[in-house]
Amino acid sequence: DGGITQSPKYLFRKEGQNVTLSCEQNLNHDAMYWYRQDPGQGLRLIYYSQIVNDFQKGDIAEGYSVSREKKESFPLTVTSAQKNPTAFYLCASTWGARTEAFFGQGTRLTVV
Amino acid sequence: GENVEQHPSTLSVQEGDSAVIKCTYSDSASNYFPWYKQELGKGPQLIIDIRSNVGEKKDQRIAVTLNKTAKHFSLHITETQPEDSAVYFCAAYHMTTDSWGKLQFGAGTQVVVTP
Repeated sequence: DGGITQSPKYLFRKEGQNVTLSCEQNLNHDAMYWYRQDPGQGLRLIYYSQIVNDFQKGDIAEGYSVSREKKESFPLTVTSAQKNPTAFYLCASTWGARTEAFFGQGTRLTVV
Repeated sequence: GENVEQHPSTLSVQEGDSAVIKCTYSDSASNYFPWYKQELGKGPQLIIDIRSNVGEKKDQRIAVTLNKTAKHFSLHITETQPEDSAVYFCAAYHMTTDSWGKLQFGAGTQVVVTP
């Protein structure tokens, strides 16, 4: 079945450590996105990528990094520079402009 | 940039009643307005969308209306059922010269349908 997969579902890390969240899609979508979800604040865009080897900062990119070496994969690294990394992270993909966004099931990151 | 505001933040309705969620957007160039439903612990899923050349769209118990002049759009759920309980997000595509995929979401509405 085609879809978008995020792993792991739950992730715990100690403060000061970098952590990488995985996002893989087999929908042949060109564009991929990372959102952060906090209670009462909706979905905030971290980074997005329209094509391989290219990505753009979203509204809250500070403390995060991404790569897009393959069309199917868009990993997100939460660095130690992110001051409040505990959140629910969602990855999404779209085939082109103004089309339905497909979301993964999310990764809940807890930093202790 | 595009700013999407969504109201109310929470909505409690009795089963069988209607629910209405309203969103406003700031960028008059936006021309695609999807609605997503997020169930607990899952990613959002598209439930209905509308483009700027259409004023209203229906799909069974859900409908969306768009007022381009006032720059607001609404989601209407009729005959609500317990399975409609979820968080609903509106969104608007922000059209810029360097990005065609920068989807901006509202803050979400927690809908609770009580039997």
